[in-house]
Amino acid sequence: NAGVTQTPKFQVLKTGQSMTLQCAQDMNHEYMSWYRQDPGMGLRLIHYSVGAGITDQGEVPNGYNVSRSTTEDFPLRLLSAAPSQTSVYFCASRGTSTGELFFGEGSRLTVL
Amino acid sequence: DAKTTQPTSMDCAEGRAANLPCNHSTISGNEYVYWYRQIHSQGPQYIIHGLKNNETNEMASLIITEDRKSSTLILPHATLRDTAVYYCIVWAGGGNKLTFGTGTQLKVEL
Repeated sequence: NAGVTQTPKFQVLKTGQSMTLQCAQDMNHEYMSWYRQDPGMGLRLIHYSVGAGITDQGEVPNGYNVSRSTTEDFPLRLLSAAPSQTSVYFCASRGTSTGELFFGEGSRLTVL
Repeated sequence: DAKTTQPTSMDCAEGRAANLPCNHSTISGNEYVYWYRQIHSQGPQYIIHGLKNNETNEMASLIITEDRKSSTLILPHATLRDTAVYYCIVWAGGGNKLTFGTGTQLKVEL
């Protein structure tokens, strides 16, 4: 049981480039979400999904796209990276019985 | 979503109890109180949650006031490894989004 797996762990982009952060969970959780964390700050919700085919915006959705074609996967897309998107990104899924969030190890993105 | 207020930082001596307060005066009747912690730059880790009653598990105890407007997370015997940022969150579950505040930086010292 791998839990929540994020790839890549580290990435450096140039301004304007695009990329996708991958997130997969093997716990059959319906709810998945993406957070970003800037240095010295708390986590801010980007997008979330309550099931396949359903996504919604969080607190800071601008500049990011998501889709949820399967229960297992919830990729986060940056269409045109900006330096302001330099951050650590965490993916999380939630169990329905206790509501506990399970987090991935994080993806550290630097945009030059 | 209801908001929470936590002190920015707290210190605790190793071996002593760490009591971390949280105010959630606008909490709704169907919202639970959750506590998470984040050690260094790792992903946050679930600690405990409750609705009305006090709760205890192997990691901590959660005390919720009768009016549910505040709560306290208790680490009974803090160790250096408990140094982390602790987040108090209120959340109704289901399809509601779960947002974090800035948390309390707990520093456990010798």
